[in-house]
Amino acid sequence: GDSVTQMEGPVTLSEEAFLTINCTYTATGYPSLFWYVQYPGEGLQLLLKATKADDKGSNKGFEATYRKETTSFHLEKGSVQVSDSAVYFCALNSGGYQKVTFGIGTKLQVIP
Amino acid sequence: DTAVSQTPKYLVTQMGNDKSIKCEQNLGHDTMYWYKQDSKKFLKIMFSYNNKELIINETVPNRFSPKSPDKAHLNLHINSLELGDSAVYFCASSKRQGDYGYTFGSGTRLTVV
Repeated sequence: GDSVTQMEGPVTLSEEAFLTINCTYTATGYPSLFWYVQYPGEGLQLLLKATKADDKGSNKGFEATYRKETTSFHLEKGSVQVSDSAVYFCALNSGGYQKVTFGIGTKLQVIP
Repeated sequence: DTAVSQTPKYLVTQMGNDKSIKCEQNLGHDTMYWYKQDSKKFLKIMFSYNNKELIINETVPNRFSPKSPDKAHLNLHINSLELGDSAVYFCASSKRQGDYGYTFGSGTRLTVV
């Protein structure tokens, strides 16, 4: 079945540091890939997505590229801010009536 | 505001009680979901409805019963609550089967004492 593996946190960075959160997946067919962000006490928000190989999703300075050859969708940001502190979830959807499968979430803490 | 709204936001109840959580979306989406998030932030799907039809019914106890009176509403009723049911329950909706991403509600924190 479908699965998503992402690095366990917490990840602690200083403000303006470079961020990478790794995500790899196993799926049938050609899934759509997503990153969601959950701020403390809130629901998940869609951060970015990519629906086919080599697509790059981007939003709010975050980027991720759909790499079919390595089955990866790593999240990156060039310069993190304290306000980026949250839990980040990688997810996939294999299409049709399949459910979205989420990774375990990676907590990011950015310190001033 | 357009959103997925769920009520209540917090629910504290005793073991053995029956409780309901309500969810409504005004985004015109066809599909709605219930997810359970445990204390380690792990998200597990419970149910999914598409146009009032149940399409995903994961392995959850029979004490959990979803109801969708129309495609804008998906409620979750829980009978005979147990300590292990304590979690945050999220409602979500999508235009189609997740291809466009989900819009999540803000969650209901259920605490069973």
